[in-house]
Amino acid sequence: DTAVSQTPKYLVTQMGNDKSIKCEQNLGHDTMYWYKQDSKKFLKIMFSYNNKELIINETVPNRFSPKSPDKAHLNLHINSLELGDSAVYFCASSQGSSGTYNEQFFGPGTRLTVL
Amino acid sequence: DQQVKQNSPSLSVQEGRISILNCDYTNSMFDYFLWYKKYPAEGPTFLISISSIKDKNEDGRFTVFLNKSAKHLSLHIVPSQPGDSAVYFCAASEMTTGKLIFGQGTTLQVKP
Repeated sequence: DTAVSQTPKYLVTQMGNDKSIKCEQNLGHDTMYWYKQDSKKFLKIMFSYNNKELIINETVPNRFSPKSPDKAHLNLHINSLELGDSAVYFCASSQGSSGTYNEQFFGPGTRLTVL
Repeated sequence: DQQVKQNSPSLSVQEGRISILNCDYTNSMFDYFLWYKKYPAEGPTFLISISSIKDKNEDGRFTVFLNKSAKHLSLHIVPSQPGDSAVYFCAASEMTTGKLIFGQGTTLQVKP
């Protein structure tokens, strides 16, 4: 009965490849997020979707494309992977979005290593 | 420009004593603050929060204090337990955006 799940947990791939990370939440939340934790351990938001609509899009290369087929899923597709994309990627969800105080629930993370 | 800063990368305390983790922020528009706890190979888990209309919020062994004039908040854990050993992240948000800005984390070690 995992609340926020991500697959895969580990992903090792070659530079230039295209890969996807999947996220699902069973909390009935309306908003989902993608965060990146870099080598310096900073957690930074990348994207946020509310009811399948993009509401936050930070300065992220357009090689990163989030896709939300329904409000329980937010997948992250990365094209032409680069060495600097190596990081841990966390998915999160919350009940609302802007205008409300929201506790965000995080998935276990996906450690991406680009060789 | 890091808007939320946790200047102590690590903290070590003895079991049973108080742990105090600190966080500073620069954006006066932040109106909601949260603490998350993270174990290795897991995602952050929500611990406690406080809105800018309060200066203290308590939940069991965990208390968060907010000093808006100093743009400073702290998390007190008392008494500290070995199971509290983890990385603690401070986060702040503006109600208008809902976006969480995280500090870089403080690793707490509670020694038996």
